[in-house]
Amino acid sequence: NAGVTQTPKFQVLKTGQSMTLQCAQDMNHNSMYWYRQDPGMGLRLIYYSASEGTTDKGEVPNGYNVSRLNKREFSLRLESAAPSQTSVYFCASRSILSGNTIYFGEGSWLTVV
Amino acid sequence: TQLLEQSPQFLSIQEGENLTVYCNSSSVFSSLQWYRQEPGEGPVLLVTVVTGGEVKKLKRLTFQFGDARKDSSLHITAAQPGDTGLYLCAGRNNAGNMLTFGGGTRLMVKP
Repeated sequence: NAGVTQTPKFQVLKTGQSMTLQCAQDMNHNSMYWYRQDPGMGLRLIYYSASEGTTDKGEVPNGYNVSRLNKREFSLRLESAAPSQTSVYFCASRSILSGNTIYFGEGSWLTVV
Repeated sequence: TQLLEQSPQFLSIQEGENLTVYCNSSSVFSSLQWYRQEPGEGPVLLVTVVTGGEVKKLKRLTFQFGDARKDSSLHITAAQPGDTGLYLCAGRNNAGNMLTFGGGTRLMVKP
C-alpha cells in the first residue's frame, strides 16, 4: 500500500515564486489535511478537507490555498512564497472507520530563500 | 485555538531508565492521541485515548488520559535506543474536525 504520497520531497524556492505541493491517498479516506511542522512547534494545521468538494481553514492558512481535486487528491499552493514559509509540510488523511487514525505522508521539505 | 503543552521538550537518558512525558492543556478534548515521529518521516499513531481516566498499555509504553480529559501522560519503562524519536500528543476538539498538536518531546536513549 502506498498510503499517503506527497511530492516533491525537497524544494528550494526564491521569495515570490509560486509552487504546488501534491498529495494523494489510496485508502479511500474522506478527510485530508495539510500541516506544517517547525522546530518546537509540533504540527500546525494549514487547511483541511472533510470531504470531496469542501475545504476549510486551519490554524495557519494565510499565504496558502488548497484544492480538493477529487477524493484521492488534495493539493497545497503557495502563490508567492515567503521565507516564513520555510518548513516541512505534511499531508495526511483520516479514517473514521479505524478509530480516527490519521495517516501521514513522508513530508515535503521546502526552503524559501 | 486549543493549546497543548508538552514537557519536557528534550530528554536524554540511558538505556534501561524510565521516563514520563506530559501533555497539558486548559481545554477539554474529546480524545487524545500520541504519535511517534522518526527523522525524515511523518508521525505514526501509537494510541488513542477517549475516556477520562483511561489507561492504555502498549508493551513498555503506558498512556493515561486525565480524568478531566485535559491532559495526558506517556510513561516508558526500561527505555531502549529504539525508543529514540519525537513524541507528539494531539487532542481532537469536540466537533471532531480538528486535531491540535503539542510541540513535541524529543527523546534520545543512549546505549
